[in-house]
Amino acid sequence: DIQLTQSPSFLSASVGDRVTIICRASQGISSYLAWYQQKPGKAPKLLIYAASALQSGVPSRFSGSGSGTEFTLTISSLQPEDFATYFCQQFNSYPYSFGQGTKLEIK
Amino acid sequence: QITLKESGPTLVKPTQTLTLTCTFSGFSLSTSGVGVGWIRQPPGKALEWLALIYRNDEKHYSPSLKSRLTITKDTSKNQVVLTMTNMDPVDTATYYCARRYHDISTSYSSMFDYWGQGTLVTVSS
Repeated sequence: DIQLTQSPSFLSASVGDRVTIICRASQGISSYLAWYQQKPGKAPKLLIYAASALQSGVPSRFSGSGSGTEFTLTISSLQPEDFATYFCQQFNSYPYSFGQGTKLEIK
Repeated sequence: QITLKESGPTLVKPTQTLTLTCTFSGFSLSTSGVGVGWIRQPPGKALEWLALIYRNDEKHYSPSLKSRLTITKDTSKNQVVLTMTNMDPVDTATYYCARRYHDISTSYSSMFDYWGQGTLVTVSS
C-alpha cells in the first residue's frame, strides 16, 4: 500500500500570505495525485487533480506541482475562505489512500 | 447537475451490519471512466478510502477492511450500496460516497470530483 505523508499537519498563516503544503508518497505515483479542501461539517471539495490541473471553478490562487513522490499545494495569497483542512489523495494504485491532512488556521 | 446522497441508519449496535445506500443523479455508472466509491472520516480525523465499484462490476476494497465490506450497484436505480459487517465503536464516522472520474483523454486525471454530503454513523450499544 502507498502511504501519503503531509507536512505540516498544522499551519498558522495570515490573510495575504503565500503558503505551501507538501505531500510525500512512500513510492512513486507519477502524477496520480489530487488535492481536496474540507471545511468543518462539509464534504471535501476537489481543488487539483493530476498533480497540477486546476478543477473547474477553483480560484487560480491555488496551484499544484510535483510528480513521483513529492507534491506541493500552494495558495498564492490566502483569503479568509481558504482557512480549512487540506488532504492529498493518490490514484496510482489501490487502495486509493489519503494523506493525514493539513489544518490551515488563521494567525 | 450531478448529486450524490448517502442514506442509512445513524445508530447501529456493536456486531451489527451497517448498510448504506448512495443514490446519485446527473451521471450514469454505465459511462466509461466512472465509478462510485465510499470514504469515511472518524470525528476529527483523516479521510479513509473504503471501496469502489465500476460499470463492469469491477470492485476494489481497502485491504484492512476487505473481509467486512461488500459494495454492489443497481445501475437501473442509480444506487450503490455498501455493507459493513461486525460494526465496532471505532467504526463511528461520517461516511461519504463520491463519484470517481477518469478522463481517458487526459493523462493521470483520476479524481473524486463529486461528493455526497455524508452521513454520520454512530456505533454504540
